Amino acid sequence: DADVTQTPRNRITKTGKRIMLECSQTKGHDRMYWYRQDPGLGLRLIYYSFDVKDINKGEISDGYSVSRQAQAKFSLSLESAIPNQTALYFCATRDSSYNSPLHFGNGTRLTVT
Amino acid sequence: TQLLEQSPQFLSIQEGENLTVYCNSSSVFSSLQWYRQEPGEGPVLLVTVVTGGEVKKLKRLTFQFGDARKDSSLHITAAQPGDTGLYLCAGARTSYDKVIFGPGTSLSVIP
Repeated sequence: DADVTQTPRNRITKTGKRIMLECSQTKGHDRMYWYRQDPGLGLRLIYYSFDVKDINKGEISDGYSVSRQAQAKFSLSLESAIPNQTALYFCATRDSSYNSPLHFGNGTRLTVT
Repeated sequence: TQLLEQSPQFLSIQEGENLTVYCNSSSVFSSLQWYRQEPGEGPVLLVTVVTGGEVKKLKRLTFQFGDARKDSSLHITAAQPGDTGLYLCAGARTSYDKVIFGPGTSLSVIP
């Protein structure tokens, strides 16, 4: 089983719908991140969390919200999806040691029509 | 404006050639990391550099961190088709800061 699991892998939704992307991890890491990837823009940070109940905005948090109710789970919500939120979304985890690497899930491809 | 810039954005070369990709910033980073991403998968860490001037080698890949800790380079010797992928640099300004990414260099090695 993957250490970082994202569900769903693919999702198509309509403008205005609420949608939640889930991320769970078995690595026991404290830090969790949500990124979106668009061609030519690399990965841009949406939100990150250093512990349960700790939430921090990233570079592009507008239109998104997150919930970290347990160490192993970090969910990303789009309250009212819009077409320019069509992208590939990645969840990542990291332990708290100095310069530790990010461990990524396999991504969720979201299309908003 | 992105905090980390990468160049070139795209690179297509023949098998056996050498190449260098660059990661630059106007900010100082406590460390920079290089990741490689293949289609349909998340990025995977290649290396972390933490000391200004540091050089690390991973088989045919050589990574360097600039003396001022604002830039880094990745050099691949005798590229192979298996090196094809998206190469991303990422950095944190402190060990407790968020990790941000550059836009990536898409490398295609033609057999």
